[in-house]
Amino acid sequence: DAKTTQPPSMDCAEGRAANLPCNHSTISGNEYVYWYRQIHSQGPQYIIHGLKNNETNEMASLIITEDRKSSTLILPHATLRDTAVYYCIVRVEAAGNKLTFGGGTRVLVKP
Amino acid sequence: NAGVTQTPKFQVLKTGQSMTLQCAQDMNHEYMSWYRQDPGMGLRLIHYSVGAGITDQGEVPNGYNVSRSTTEDFPLRLLSAAPSQTSVYFCASSYSGTGDTDTQYFGPGTRLTVL
Repeated sequence: DAKTTQPPSMDCAEGRAANLPCNHSTISGNEYVYWYRQIHSQGPQYIIHGLKNNETNEMASLIITEDRKSSTLILPHATLRDTAVYYCIVRVEAAGNKLTFGGGTRVLVKP
Repeated sequence: NAGVTQTPKFQVLKTGQSMTLQCAQDMNHEYMSWYRQDPGMGLRLIHYSVGAGITDQGEVPNGYNVSRSTTEDFPLRLLSAAPSQTSVYFCASSYSGTGDTDTQYFGPGTRLTVL
């Protein structure tokens, strides 16, 4: 699986959009971009994933650049409960259930 | 559905002791896996299974054994506990490892301390 690079930490104001960048410059054509988050002491939680097109669900939006070398996870209206470590993971479609976690971005949402 | 359940939530062992961490899911998922998370680190894959009777090693398998006799259960065995195995252990399951809908569901974790 391709390696990803994320900033180690970032702060966000409550109610504002949080934009979390991820660099995956060595991504291959059959590799998906997945985002998970881990709230303190809990198991990771799936957020969203995509291949080429931008994706949106009830939790977040995922913007993937045209060359697919980077992506941004957008939390449209951050709340205090969004404080967590966010992991950007790149994996092939047929990778089975293997996820390779990096260091992630520690997001602190402030009132 | 209860989702993915893990027992125990906390465990303290002495060096050399053995134990089994339990993991169960009631979602009829084929894929199950075990991860460990050391303080301040991301999760690392220990073992995984693509179905009953089939298991394989992940990134850090040494010191751990697994078996998958049923679809629902995927226990992790520590044969002879060592202080280096002090960690938080997470079990995960997913419906399928192929296609673009492979969302993994994680359990609440087991916090293990080896003295």
